[in-house]
Amino acid sequence: DGGITQSPKYLFRKEGQNVTLSCEQNLNHDAMYWYRQDPGQGLRLIYYSQIVNDFQKGDIAEGYSVSREKKESFPLTVTSAQKNPTAFYLCASNSAMSYGNQPQHFGDGTRLSIL
Amino acid sequence: DAKTTQPNSMESNEEEPVHLPCNHSTISGTDYIHWYRQLPSQGPEYVIHGLTSNVNNRMASLAIAEDRKSSTLILHRATLRDAAVYYCILRPASGGSYIPTFGRGTSLIVHP
Repeated sequence: DGGITQSPKYLFRKEGQNVTLSCEQNLNHDAMYWYRQDPGQGLRLIYYSQIVNDFQKGDIAEGYSVSREKKESFPLTVTSAQKNPTAFYLCASNSAMSYGNQPQHFGDGTRLSIL
Repeated sequence: DAKTTQPNSMESNEEEPVHLPCNHSTISGTDYIHWYRQLPSQGPEYVIHGLTSNVNNRMASLAIAEDRKSSTLILHRATLRDAAVYYCILRPASGGSYIPTFGRGTSLIVHP
């Protein structure tokens, strides 16, 4: 079945360490997104990409970086500059064709904690 | 971008219908109304969407007001597995510079 795979499910980061969260989709979607969710809050957009080799900052991009070298993959790196990285990270994708008439698909998330 | 307003929480009893409201008074003519739900420690899951007419699928029904300034997600018989946070968002017909955002949604509590 087609879908979005995020890994790992749980991740721990040490002080000063960069960590990378993986997101892979086999839905042939052009657009991919990274969100951060804090307890009891909605989803805040970190970065998004509408096409390979291009991406845009969302509302809270500071301390994060992304790449989009392949259509299927959109990894997120949480850098040491992100001082409060503990959160639930969600990757999503959707088709760029008939945008509003297509659902957005989400992965099952990665929970990042500080050691 | 058009915003939506939802109650923070609602409660229901098992096997009773649930009506989850959403206000979107600034909706444009080409915005689709989407509903998603999120179970604890999982990513949001698509529920239903519509443009002008009411919609039904195996999960729920979507009732859209005639002026499109509000909509209601209807769960016909709530189960304990329906306890989740429900998000109502608007998505334009063509993406362009649109950035999908999710607010806090409505937390649905289902009592046995």
